[in-house]
Amino acid sequence: NAGVTQTPKFRVLKTGQSMTLLCAQDMNHEYMYWYRQDPGMGLRLIHYSVGEGTTAKGEVPDGYNVSRLKKQNFLLGLESAAPSQTSVYFCASSYWGANYGYTFGSGTRLTVV
Amino acid sequence: QQQVKQSPQSLIVQKGGISIINCAYENTAFDYFPWYQQFPGKGPALLIAIRPDVSEKKEGRFTISFNKSAKQFSLHIMDSQPGDSATYFCAARSGGSNYKLTFGKGTLLTVNP
Repeated sequence: NAGVTQTPKFRVLKTGQSMTLLCAQDMNHEYMYWYRQDPGMGLRLIHYSVGEGTTAKGEVPDGYNVSRLKKQNFLLGLESAAPSQTSVYFCASSYWGANYGYTFGSGTRLTVV
Repeated sequence: QQQVKQSPQSLIVQKGGISIINCAYENTAFDYFPWYQQFPGKGPALLIAIRPDVSEKKEGRFTISFNKSAKQFSLHIMDSQPGDSATYFCAARSGGSNYKLTFGKGTLLTVNP
């Protein structure tokens, strides 16, 4: 059981380049989330999805787009990377329901130079 | 607007001591309060969680104390061990249909041998 898998694990981009981060989960979870983690800032929600074909904005959505064409996958795109997007990105998934927490992936460390 | 305030930012405890991390929230609609533990290079992992109709929950050496009237909750780690050294995040979940988690900024716990 792999849980939540994020690819790639590391990436260096030049300013203006684009890339897509992939999140895949094998737990049949309905909900999926993308967070970014920055020193002293905790985890901040970028976008989330409550089901296949649905997406919604979180706390810090600017500069990012997402898609959830299949229930098990949630993609995060950066169309034109900026140095401010240097961060560690975490994907998470969960069941709906009262007492389930998130399952997080191991993260993608992105550096934009 | 920071909806979940966590303190302290860092904490150093001797082996065998008690580690206490505090969180306060503002939104009375939050309905679930998990704590996550994160080791360097890893994603956060659910440690323990509580619902607001319970004042205390204990799992092994970890206890959550919850004060609904004060809108505060805390994590107590009894008999702290060097292996507990990690970053701890409190979080609060929105009810409704999206189950978004809002995280505190994290506490770096160091347990000295």
